[in-house]
Amino acid sequence: EVQLVETGGGLIQPGGSLRLSCAASGFTVSSNYMSWVRQAPGKGLEWVSVIYSGGTTYYADSVKGRFTISRDNSKNTLYLQMNSLRAEDTAVYYCSRSTTVTTFYYWGQGTLVTVSS
Amino acid sequence: QSALTQPASVSGSPGQSITISCTGTTSDVGSYNLVSWYQQYPGKAPKIIIYEVSKRPSGVSNRFSGSKSGNTASLTISGLQAEDEADYYCCSYAGTSTFVVFGGGTKLTVL
Repeated sequence: EVQLVETGGGLIQPGGSLRLSCAASGFTVSSNYMSWVRQAPGKGLEWVSVIYSGGTTYYADSVKGRFTISRDNSKNTLYLQMNSLRAEDTAVYYCSRSTTVTTFYYWGQGTLVTVSS
Repeated sequence: QSALTQPASVSGSPGQSITISCTGTTSDVGSYNLVSWYQQYPGKAPKIIIYEVSKRPSGVSNRFSGSKSGNTASLTISGLQAEDEADYYCCSYAGTSTFVVFGGGTKLTVL
């Protein structure tokens, strides 16, 4: 059974850093497209980043240069390193296993990141 | 402002059919057959219901169908049921510059 469990969210001050983790089971992270999608409170979905099986990464313009997606194959875990956090980064962050770049087939339960002083 | 335009809300009575539109541009919906649709209940993670414009994942009811014409994709739900009341989001590939865009979401109310 495919499972994705995100951790690492919390309250952080503007300008701070946070690393989200997404522990996967039931499949191999390194063999799949893995993405981060976020949802601000009461708002719609926003794609954040993807890492291909070959290691190529892409980012939304809103996070480019501040966020880094990565994975640890030995731990079968996806990460999102978030630096220079802003109030507008406040959202629930979901990790997803994708079968194509827009087919977010499996989702975690999400982890809430709140950026506030 | 979302890259893809969806109506904020739609409604229908049980048993009826409704269609949710998702309007993009020639840079996204109009150029790629990589449109997907997601259903989301309050406080829950989204669930994929349509991918690659019109394909249905295993286990998704055949009451859900997708299509595309030009720059507009559509999700049709037939035989509306109370359990269909949820938020629906469309998503499209938009090339290697913008990459992935979502619609703003549509709240479906079953009357």
